[in-house]
Amino acid sequence: AQSVTQPDIHITVSEGASLELRCNYSYGATPYLFWYVQSPGQGLQLLLKYFSGDTLVQGIKGFEAEFKRSQSSFNLRKPSVHWSDAAEYFCAVAVNQAGTALIFGKGTTLSVSS
Amino acid sequence: EPEVTQTPSHQVTQMGQEVILRCVPISNHLYFYWYRQILGQKVEFLVSFYNNEISEKSEIFDDQFSVERPDGSNFTLKIRSTKLEDSAMYFCASGGLAGYEQFFGPGTRLTVL
Repeated sequence: AQSVTQPDIHITVSEGASLELRCNYSYGATPYLFWYVQSPGQGLQLLLKYFSGDTLVQGIKGFEAEFKRSQSSFNLRKPSVHWSDAAEYFCAVAVNQAGTALIFGKGTTLSVSS
Repeated sequence: EPEVTQTPSHQVTQMGQEVILRCVPISNHLYFYWYRQILGQKVEFLVSFYNNEISEKSEIFDDQFSVERPDGSNFTLKIRSTKLEDSAMYFCASGGLAGYEQFFGPGTRLTVL
């Protein structure tokens, strides 16, 4: 069965510093990969996705993620964090079949210090 | 920009009562989903729905749960007899023709007393 691991439960980053959130997945083939963000009391917003092709994908709000097949990873990065980026970030995978379930990691809470 | 909407935003109910959570997916989407998130835990898949039938469901989605698309716009999740452990945030999501990308609603917080 597929699984997603986000090793970092909580990360604190200074405003303006760079950010990397880690995500590893377990799946026999290349899954579809997603990062979602959840602000307090809000729903889940899709930041970016990887289906195929270029392994470096760009998303909204200045985020990017790199798919590394050899490491089964899909880490999220941002070169300069803003205070408004404080939120919970979820990595998710889906098998490459339309309509299938997303399997989420446990999430990483990002705090931004001034 | 089209979005998924959910009502109510917060529902409080007594244990053993039936609840219906409502969702309006994005209008041209074909795939519909329910997920839940117990406080402090990860988001968990409950069920997916396509072409007027359940296409996939998790172990959580037992006989107490049912889904329905009663008309062309609404998608509902019914919990027949709520338990304390059903307290969670319930998210509806919908997906388009490709079905891979899922757009989530703001959620309904269900509190079972």
